[in-house]
Amino acid sequence: DVVLTQTPPTLSATIGQSVSISCRSSQSLLHSNGNTYLHWLLQRPGQSPQLLIYLVSRLESGVPNRFSGSGSGTDFTLKISGVEAEDLGVYYCVQGTHAPYTFGAGTKLELK
Amino acid sequence: QVTLKESGPGILQPSQTLSLTCTFSGFSLSTYGMGVGWIRQPSGKGLEWLANIWWDDDKYYNPSLKNRLTISKDTSNNQAFLKITNVDTADTATYYCARILITGPFDYWGQGVMVTVSS
Repeated sequence: DVVLTQTPPTLSATIGQSVSISCRSSQSLLHSNGNTYLHWLLQRPGQSPQLLIYLVSRLESGVPNRFSGSGSGTDFTLKISGVEAEDLGVYYCVQGTHAPYTFGAGTKLELK
Repeated sequence: QVTLKESGPGILQPSQTLSLTCTFSGFSLSTYGMGVGWIRQPSGKGLEWLANIWWDDDKYYNPSLKNRLTISKDTSNNQAFLKITNVDTADTATYYCARILITGPFDYWGQGVMVTVSS
């Protein structure tokens, strides 16, 4: 199975600070069809996960543009440009290139 | 508006079969490219993908549980189902269903249903 390693496991930030989360894959997530099925989710406390970014860098409808995704192959990054209070929770990367789908262990974003 | 809602037994005993239902609206599982997946999350832990079913009735399972899982759908009633046989305490978790598109991600999630396996 593909292993997704997220760092850091915990991130402390102040409101307005810009932060980045890394997701590294144990193998390339470039599919033979040219797509890279690497997505980012946010799970706020007590809530279901919600989609933020799909196919590495595409912003899901309704998601603020302070969120951005980048990367290729095995290295991917989620950036939040100016953390807001509503951004607190656990961020997960998930891959769908190789069966079975796998998730990173999560990065918890806390207020400093 | 796409919505999904899971339902299940709440609590069951070891060795029993867990039956989960996902009732959804806002899309059809007979439409090209649409799918429903099941994902679970033990309390305080991460996410584990279990299975997907697609508009064409293709089914995919997590190999680590494959022999215990059965996914199915009722297109007419906008429902998807997951059965897990021979449960034990390790299957205690919140179970989510989510819409998945052939273009990529799980884009809409249900609220989740808590399932406890206990004797």
